Amino acid sequence: SYELTQPPSVSVSPGQTASITCSGDKLGDKYACWYQQKPGQSPVLVIYQDSKRPSGIPERFSGSNSGNTATLTISGTQAMDEADYYCQAWDTDVVFGGGTKLTVL
Amino acid sequence: EVQLVQSGAEVKKPGESLKISCKGSGYSFTSYWIGWVRQMPGKGLEWMGIIYPGDSDTRYSPSFQGQVTISADKSISTAYLQWSSLKASDTAMYYCARHDPGTLGAFDIWGQGTMVTVSS
Repeated sequence: SYELTQPPSVSVSPGQTASITCSGDKLGDKYACWYQQKPGQSPVLVIYQDSKRPSGIPERFSGSNSGNTATLTISGTQAMDEADYYCQAWDTDVVFGGGTKLTVL
Repeated sequence: EVQLVQSGAEVKKPGESLKISCKGSGYSFTSYWIGWVRQMPGKGLEWMGIIYPGDSDTRYSPSFQGQVTISADKSISTAYLQWSSLKASDTAMYYCARHDPGTLGAFDIWGQGTMVTVSS
């Protein structure tokens, strides 16, 4: 079955750029999306179709997808961005990555 | 407002049956797939399956095939996830989410989640 691999944790200082990767075989041939989940809350879609932002998502969130890796980039990271982030793609089925805990310190 | 509203938390004993619900509003319920996602305590998101309420076409993750049943009643804009015999390992938060074809694979609207606790 298809698998997506994310680093368990990423740390970033406030105001700096955070990059979270998601790796899968030929992931660049599929569409990737990203969700943000804060403690006790439902996931929120922050990037779809590799790089598009839903309405209401700040411009500091961006995405890319090429080769075997999709990347979520948060520019000018704020304390409110501290959360778990999950990538997701469709193979024959829906697949989620294992999640990355972003710490802003 | 487009939203998915899920049924409330459940506490069950092993072996009992359960059906939880997800009611859509603010959009054409029959025109979007609804997926179910499990999140065990402290763990990540796991896709369980998806249903198209328009014709009840349903697909399951191999990990959940035969373990749960997904259904929908389009007359009341509600999707369901059910178990015939719960296990302690079914203890988790369960989310429903809408798949928007315009997002090419993403789930754009999520329910608030239903916590299921299975304990003797």
